Amino acid sequence: GNSVTQMEGPVTLSEEAFLTINCTYTATGYPSLFWYVQYPGEGLQLLLKATKADDKGSNKGFEATYRKETTSFHLEKGSVQVSDSAVYFCALTRGVYKLSFGAGTTVTVRA
Amino acid sequence: DAMVIQNPRYQVTQFGKPVTLSCSQTLNHNVMYWYQQKSSQAPKLLFHYYDKDFNNEADTPDNFQSRRPNTSFCFLDIRSPGLGDAAMYLCATSPKGGLVTEAFFGQGTRLTVV
Repeated sequence: GNSVTQMEGPVTLSEEAFLTINCTYTATGYPSLFWYVQYPGEGLQLLLKATKADDKGSNKGFEATYRKETTSFHLEKGSVQVSDSAVYFCALTRGVYKLSFGAGTTVTVRA
Repeated sequence: DAMVIQNPRYQVTQFGKPVTLSCSQTLNHNVMYWYQQKSSQAPKLLFHYYDKDFNNEADTPDNFQSRRPNTSFCFLDIRSPGLGDAAMYLCATSPKGGLVTEAFFGQGTRLTVV
């Protein structure tokens, strides 16, 4: 079935550093891909999405490009802030109404 | 604002004592989900409703049940909670469509079993 493999954390960065979180997927067909973010004690929020190959999702300075040839959807941000400290989940559609999530990557940004 | 609301945010229950978690939504979405998330793990889908049609995941224990009396509300019942059921429980919704375009999550209920 459809699944994602996500870079293990935790990741610790200084403010204004460049962030990359790797995500690769295994899927039949053409799934939609997502990045969700979870702040401490909260539910998940959609960060960005891409629904077809070569689509780039972007939001709040974060970007990810749907790469069919490498089956990847890596998350990047050029200059992180302390407020970006959170757990980031890569996800893809599984079947018609389901999502499969990666294990999550904890990111801590230090001032 | 339209949203997904879970109550309570924190729930403490005794080992073996039935407990119910609730979720309501103002998004008028057809699909509602319950996920279980244990510490430092990915959310795990327990079941979902498409309108009133219930869809159980194959590996969801019988101890977990759900009810959806109307479009707006969905409940998670744990019949006999064990220590291993302590987790964050997340409710989510998704609009009707050919594919899930995104899921909207509530803030979660953290369940402690004592």
